[in-house]
Order: sequence, then structure tokens, then C-alpha cells
Amino acid sequence: GENVEQHPSTLSVQEGDSAVIKCTYSDSASNYFPWYKQELGKGPQLIIDIRSNVGEKKDQRIAVTLNKTAKHFSLHITETQPEDSAVYFCAASRGNAGNMLTFGGGTRLMVKP
Amino acid sequence: GAVVSQHPSRVICKSGTSVKIECRSLDFQATTMFWYRQFPKQSLMLMATSNEGSKATYEQGVEKDKFLINHASLTLSTLTVTSAHPEDSSFYICSAVAGQVYNEQFFGPGTRLTVL
Repeated sequence: GENVEQHPSTLSVQEGDSAVIKCTYSDSASNYFPWYKQELGKGPQLIIDIRSNVGEKKDQRIAVTLNKTAKHFSLHITETQPEDSAVYFCAASRGNAGNMLTFGGGTRLMVKP
Repeated sequence: GAVVSQHPSRVICKSGTSVKIECRSLDFQATTMFWYRQFPKQSLMLMATSNEGSKATYEQGVEKDKFLINHASLTLSTLTVTSAHPEDSSFYICSAVAGQVYNEQFFGPGTRLTVL
């Protein structure tokens, strides 16, 4: 089955700096890679996703890159703000609707004002 | 769009009782819903896959007789924790698949279960 590794487990940055979270996956058939933000006591919120037919996707301060050959993908947050502080999870899936997501272990991001 | 609700958000019960958690997709139909359990400072652990009109598929190690899942309609799935014990205390989260082609999952806000 799929195995997703996520690094780092914790990340502390100064407000305004960039944050990068990296994930690797094992199943070469995976083709859908979402990122979720989870605030304390809440459910995960989809913030961005990427499919295997593209190498990069950007949405304002958030971007995701995918390297299918190396089987890794990364989340980039620029101009970080204190409200970006949360736990971020990457996931991978064979993208047909109804297939399970395999999650990484999570990254606790702390943005210091 | 793509809003998923859960009810209740928090429940405290006595050991031995059963608790039902509802998961609803509010503005879309979901043929597939997933149930996860999350312990403090850990990732989400998939418990089962719920398909409308059919029996749920449980992950290895998850007792199907203890965690009863019903997916009666395209907008509602329920998880019943039967004969709950303190070790069942956890954060239970559901998700619903919105995409028709790709596996876009949207999560509910979670239910905090505490078993005394």
C-alpha cells in the first residue's frame, strides 16, 4: 500500500518568512495530492491540491510542487502570518473518486509575530 | 460549496453506552464517505469507507461490530460507537468525496468523544 512521509514534524518561522513542508510517497500509481490545514479542535480543511498532470500549482501565498519521478511533493507558504499557525497534512491517493487518502504524519507550523 | 457537518461536536458518555455521530454533506451528494479517528498530536487514521447503499469497508484492526456505520442516503452517514469504553475516547472525523473524477475529500469539523 501507499506510504507517505512528511517532514519536518515541527516548523517555526518568523512572520513574513516562507515555510516549506515536504512529503514523499511510495505508490507510483498515486496521482492526486491534497494538502490540509487543521486548526486545534477542528477538522482538516483542504487548502490546495495537485494532480499528476501538472508540476506546480499556486493559489495566492500557497503553492505546491510535484516531482513524480522522485515521488515527492512540497507545500510552500510565502509571507507567513500568525494565522497560518496550524498543523498541515499532506496526503496521496490514486485519484479515482472514492479511493482512500493516505496521510503524512503532519507538520506543526508556528509563525511567530 | 463542499460543506460537511458533523453532529454532535462534543459528547461525553458513560462506559458501556452507545453513541451515534452523524456526518452530512450539506451542498453536494457524496456516494462515498470516510470515517477517521485522530488521537492527540497524531495523524488521521482511517477507520472505514462508507458507500451509500452498501456495507462499509473497515480497515484492518477496526471492529465492525463495535463501530457501526450506516450510509442511508447520499448526504448522510452515521457512525455508532457501541458499548463505548474509555479507550474509545478520541476525535472522530468524517469526510465526503465531492469529486466525480478525482478524490476531492472535504472534512467535517469533527466530534470529540469522551467516555468516562
